Amino acid sequence: DAGVIQSPRHEVTEMGQEVTLRCKPISGHNSLFWYRQTMMRGLELLIYFNNNVPIDDSGMPEDRFSAKMPNASFSTLKIQPSEPRDSAVYFCASRGPEGGGYYGYTFGSGTRLTVV
Amino acid sequence: ELKVEQNPLFLSMQEGKNYTIYCNYSTTSDRLYWYRQDPGKSLESLFVLLSNGAVKQEGRLMASLDTKARLSTLHITAAVHDLSATYFCAVVGTSGTYKYIFGTGTRLKVLA
Repeated sequence: DAGVIQSPRHEVTEMGQEVTLRCKPISGHNSLFWYRQTMMRGLELLIYFNNNVPIDDSGMPEDRFSAKMPNASFSTLKIQPSEPRDSAVYFCASRGPEGGGYYGYTFGSGTRLTVV
Repeated sequence: ELKVEQNPLFLSMQEGKNYTIYCNYSTTSDRLYWYRQDPGKSLESLFVLLSNGAVKQEGRLMASLDTKARLSTLHITAAVHDLSATYFCAVVGTSGTYKYIFGTGTRLKVLA
């Protein structure tokens, strides 16, 4: 199992540009989560999907952020336009269905985003 | 709103010593997780605690859960340098949500 795969690992972009982060969850996992980690705010849940449907996007900071999950094996987080305060590490995590014997998330390696 | 607090935020300790990290949460929860994060790396699952009184141990780390006190502890026995990392607890509410709310993290540094 390759685990949760995120791309790119690092992204440096100029303010105002569009940024797209990608995530491939573990096969068979039916919940997917996007988190943002900064020194000041710690780990913040941005949005999560269950069976490809967005369930809770209350953590999405503003309209510049959007997320999609077109199928069970792919999700994107888009920032348009990007701003320097969006600089952070963005983690994707997935989780299997209840009753599978393990209830926790598996995290991807993260994307370190720097907006200059 | 569920809040999760950890203390201490920073911990510097000598090898061979014992110490405990505390995780308090504000509302009822039916499960609690501990994760480890090495600098620049992702989060690695350590323990999942599913019921009051649950205790899990792996090597020099032992986690416990007291749901009545809304408290979990991560006890470190005879610390070694390899345990240096940031440790997070995360809590899920009982409402059926899959959302984890993470604590602030405890940055542990074990001095050789």
